[in-house]
Amino acid sequence: AQSVTQLDSQVPVFEEAPVELRCNYSSSVSVYLFWYVQYPNQGLQLLLKYLSGSTLVESINGFEAEFNKSQTSFHLRKPSVHISDTAEYFCAVISGAGSYQLTFGKGTKLSVIP
Amino acid sequence: NAGVMQNPRHLVRRRGQEARLRCSPMKGHSHVYWYRQLPEEGLKFMVYLQKENIIDESGMPKERFSAEFPKEGPSILRIQQVVRGDSAAYFCASSPPWRPQGSSEQFFGPGTRLTVL
Repeated sequence: AQSVTQLDSQVPVFEEAPVELRCNYSSSVSVYLFWYVQYPNQGLQLLLKYLSGSTLVESINGFEAEFNKSQTSFHLRKPSVHISDTAEYFCAVISGAGSYQLTFGKGTKLSVIP
Repeated sequence: NAGVMQNPRHLVRRRGQEARLRCSPMKGHSHVYWYRQLPEEGLKFMVYLQKENIIDESGMPKERFSAEFPKEGPSILRIQQVVRGDSAAYFCASSPPWRPQGSSEQFFGPGTRLTVL
């Protein structure tokens, strides 16, 4: 069975500082990896995804994540955060081609401090 | 192109009442998924439907919960005789038909926040 671990439930960081949100997964088959962002009282928005190809994927708003198969990780990073990045971030995995069931981590609440 | 739509956004029910949650997938999407988010938890898969078919309901509680995706109209998640433990955010997602080379992305709606008094 697949599982996703987000080690940090809350991450406070000062504005313009770098941030890393950690995500580890367990799966015995090929995986597809996703980061979703949830702003207060809103639904989930896809931030970025890894399906195949380059292990470094980027979003349009400066976030990036790197798929590391040997460490079974998909950490999310941003070199300089903005107040508007305050939200909850969920890492999710789908295991195996043709699978559909997303397994989510418990989420990491990112708080950007002015 | 409208996204996934869910209504109502907020729903309050008393214990023992029924809750009906609606989800309209994105245009062109034929696959619908329901997830539940309990407080301080990540989303948990409940059920996966295609038009007129339940494909996988392995995440659904065995009693009181049912889902459908009729030929016409939205997908419905129905909770009978609600209890306080059903209070949660219920999210619907949709995806287009699968591509042979991999998994399809799921697009999420804004969710329905159910409160059981």
